[in-house]
Amino acid sequence: KAGVTQTPRYLIKTRGQQVTLSCSPISGHRSVSWYQQTPGQGLQFLFEYFSETQRNKGNFPGRFSGRQFSNSRSEMNVSTLELGDSALYLCASSLSGGASDTQYFGPGTRLTVL
Amino acid sequence: AQSVTQLDSQVPVFEEAPVELRCNYSSSVSVYLFWYVQYPNQGLQLLLKYLSGSTLVKGINGFEAEFNKSQTSFHLRKPSVHISDTAEYFCAVSDTGAGSYQLTFGKGTKLSVIP
Repeated sequence: KAGVTQTPRYLIKTRGQQVTLSCSPISGHRSVSWYQQTPGQGLQFLFEYFSETQRNKGNFPGRFSGRQFSNSRSEMNVSTLELGDSALYLCASSLSGGASDTQYFGPGTRLTVL
Repeated sequence: AQSVTQLDSQVPVFEEAPVELRCNYSSSVSVYLFWYVQYPNQGLQLLLKYLSGSTLVKGINGFEAEFNKSQTSFHLRKPSVHISDTAEYFCAVSDTGAGSYQLTFGKGTKLSVIP
């Protein structure tokens, strides 16, 4: 069974630009969550999608948005990039998004904002 | 709201020695507990999780953890470490009553195994 895939693996953008990251969950998984990982703040929850609906959102500004498609693939968009958005963005999938479900993480997309 | 504290940011240990990585949590509700490992340039991999039942949980790669409700701790242990265990380890919690999945992570502990 293929794992969670994220594309692209690396991105370099400049301040003010926008970026879209993609995540393909494990086949059969309907929940997709996104996390931001930085050396200073650690791993922080961005949002979670299930059946194309955002069910939960972390404490991030509105510049961070996402969506989920009918095949459970998810995209995350960051508009008006800031230097502080440089981070590893991790996507995780699980069967139903329940609190006891195991989340399976992708390798991440490393975003560098110059 | 929950919070997770990993008491050591870095832990050096000699190969074949035992190791304990400490994790304490704070929550006003019941939680599930998890340990994840992250190898360089990779995502996170689940080592083990505590949902209910026996407080001693065994995971992959010879790791185990013990849930202590009175001390709100979930420390990770391995009796004999290998070079391949060098990685960053994250403790995490989720709210058992939550309708959707949200993990709250600690800041991580970097385990360095010295040959």
